[in-house]
Amino acid sequence: GIQVEQSPPDLILQEGANSTLRCNFSDSVNNLQWFHQNPWGQLINLFYIPSGTKQNGRLSATTVATERYSLLYISSSQTTDSGVYFCAGSLYNFNKFYFGSGTKLNVKP
Amino acid sequence: DTEVTQTPKHLVMGMTNKKSLKCEQHMGHRAMYWYKQKAKKPPELMFVYSYEKLSINESVPSRFSPECPNSSLLNLHLHALQPEDSALYLCASSHDPGGTEAFFGQGTRLTVV
Repeated sequence: GIQVEQSPPDLILQEGANSTLRCNFSDSVNNLQWFHQNPWGQLINLFYIPSGTKQNGRLSATTVATERYSLLYISSSQTTDSGVYFCAGSLYNFNKFYFGSGTKLNVKP
Repeated sequence: DTEVTQTPKHLVMGMTNKKSLKCEQHMGHRAMYWYKQKAKKPPELMFVYSYEKLSINESVPSRFSPECPNSSLLNLHLHALQPEDSALYLCASSHDPGGTEAFFGQGTRLTVV
C-alpha cells in the first residue's frame, strides 16, 4: 500500500495567523483529497486535488503529483478552523483511500 | 446534494446484541465504503462495495457483516462485538469505483459494553 506522511502532527496558532500543512506520499496517487474532521467526527471535504492548485476562501491547496506531495494553506485562521486535517489518496483505478495520520490544529482566540 | 446519511448517530450495545448501522446516499454513486476510526487515529478501511458487489474486505472479523441491498444503501450488521470494537464508524461513497472524490457521512459512534 501507500505510505502517507502528514506534518506537522500538532499545530497551535493564534487567531489570524497563517499556516501550511504538508502531505507526502510514497507512491503516485491519482485521487488526492483534504478533509477537515470536526469535533463531532464528521469528515468535511475541503479539496479534491489530484494535481494543481485550488482556492476556496481562506483555504487553498497545491498538489505536485510528480513529486508526490500536497500542501494545504490556511490563511487568517479562525477558531472554527480547529480540528484534525487529513489528506488521503488512492492509486489509479483502485478505490482504496490511504489516509495520513492527520494534523491536529488548535486555533486560540 | 453531496450528503451521505448515517443512522444512528450513537449506539450502545452489549456484547451479545445484534445491531445494524445504516448508510444512505442519493448521489448516484456506485462505490460505497465502511471505515472504522479509533480515537486519535485516521480512518481505517473495512469494506468497499462497487456496483453493489463486495470488492474489498480488509480482513475484517466476521462479527462485522456488510450488506448492500441497492445502489443507495449500505448496511453494517454487528453481532457478538467486543469492547475493543468501540469506535466511530464512517460510511463514504464515490461516483466512480475506480476512485474519485469521496464523501463521508457524519458517522455512528459505537460503544460496546
